[in-house]
Amino acid sequence: ETGVTQTPRHLVMGMTNKKSLKCEQHLGHNAMYWYKQSAKKPLELMFVYNFKEQTENNSVPSRFSPECPNSSHLFLHLHTLQPEDSALYLCASSQDKANTEAFFGQGTRLTVV
Amino acid sequence: QKEVEQDPGPLSVPEGAIVSLNCTYSNSAFQYFMWYRQYSRKGPELLMYTYSSGNKEDGRFTAQVDKSSKYISLFIRDSQPSDSATYLCAMCAGNNRKLIWGLGTSLAVNP
Repeated sequence: ETGVTQTPRHLVMGMTNKKSLKCEQHLGHNAMYWYKQSAKKPLELMFVYNFKEQTENNSVPSRFSPECPNSSHLFLHLHTLQPEDSALYLCASSQDKANTEAFFGQGTRLTVV
Repeated sequence: QKEVEQDPGPLSVPEGAIVSLNCTYSNSAFQYFMWYRQYSRKGPELLMYTYSSGNKEDGRFTAQVDKSSKYISLFIRDSQPSDSATYLCAMCAGNNRKLIWGLGTSLAVNP
């Protein structure tokens, strides 16, 4: 398998649930990203990891908790979300943080009910 | 004023038409300019990458950057129904590689 793979593709969760999104990249990249894509809004960068270290957190609420155990895997742990958090969550990777050519996964469509 | 402006459309054209997609920006420090294509229910994929001003051509696609006007364009020649997608522009400065994204333009090419 190649590229960037995200699971699950779709997720419906209640506001009191805890769930996790998973991302895996098979490109040998060292930087990984979480983005949020909502209707009528530009892509919002949430977190950046470079060589497993978090280098950016763009004022994301603490109900979103990222984890990067190694350069190939990235998780986004979700708890006590709000309905306005419903969106497409995209994972991306690039060679390193200085390289802007990002490769995206297919995303997880999250619905918070 | 948003850093990057992109008309979300939708844009509908007949098959074979020349399509012009555009973005304007306000930050004169931007040096790297990208166009991504996003099909429905998929993640964005990099289509064209341009550094500084000038043109870049790849098959039916041409990317243009006019830094003096702070304006970038993507042209699609002989458009095909398979080109129907949302096209997102993205750009960043040299000293800060954080991508700033446009809203995306939804394109439909009708057979």
